[in-house]
Amino acid sequence: NAGVTQTPKFQVLKTGQSMTLQCAQDMNHEYMSWYRQDPGMGLRLIHYSVGAGITDQGEVPNGYNVSRSTTEDFPLRLLSAAPSQTSVYFCASSLTVHLGAFFGQGTRLTVV
Amino acid sequence: KNEVEQSPQNLTAQEGEFITINCSYSVGISALHWLQQHPGGGIVSLFMLSSGKKKHGRLIATINIQEKHSSLHITASHPRDSAVYICAVPRNSGNTPLVFGKGTRLSVIA
Repeated sequence: NAGVTQTPKFQVLKTGQSMTLQCAQDMNHEYMSWYRQDPGMGLRLIHYSVGAGITDQGEVPNGYNVSRSTTEDFPLRLLSAAPSQTSVYFCASSLTVHLGAFFGQGTRLTVV
Repeated sequence: KNEVEQSPQNLTAQEGEFITINCSYSVGISALHWLQQHPGGGIVSLFMLSSGKKKHGRLIATINIQEKHSSLHITASHPRDSAVYICAVPRNSGNTPLVFGKGTRLSVIA
């Protein structure tokens, strides 16, 4: 069982570049979410989706886009990377909003 | 919006000690989550509880809904328990995404 697969694990971007962080799950979970984790702060919700075709903003959505064309995939797009987006990003999925979540391994992103 | 406070922020213990980590929140909830983040960064869910107590191996989680407080206990702590422990609750009452505490960093020394 793969669970939640998140790629890449590490990435360095130049300011202004765009990129997509991939997230896929094979558990048929409806709920998927993206978080960023910064030193001294808890996980903060960027965007989430309660099912294919449905997405919504979290606490810190600016500078990020998402789409959910299938149940399995929930990519996160950085439109024009900024140093403030340097962070560790986690994707997660669960059957519903409140059930136990399965997390991807994280992506350490550095924007220079 | 629910505010989540964890204490202590950092905790160092000797192997074998009994550990308690606390979590308080401000808005009534349907369930509370405890998660563990390994030193390598991976995050796993430990417990989801809405009342009383749950036990898994040496880990015990309790919740007091009236006092809006939960504790995570580790009995007979071991160096492999060294990790960051994170509490999470729904953002508001109802079916809303989770908001996370800042975590408690636990180091268990042999």
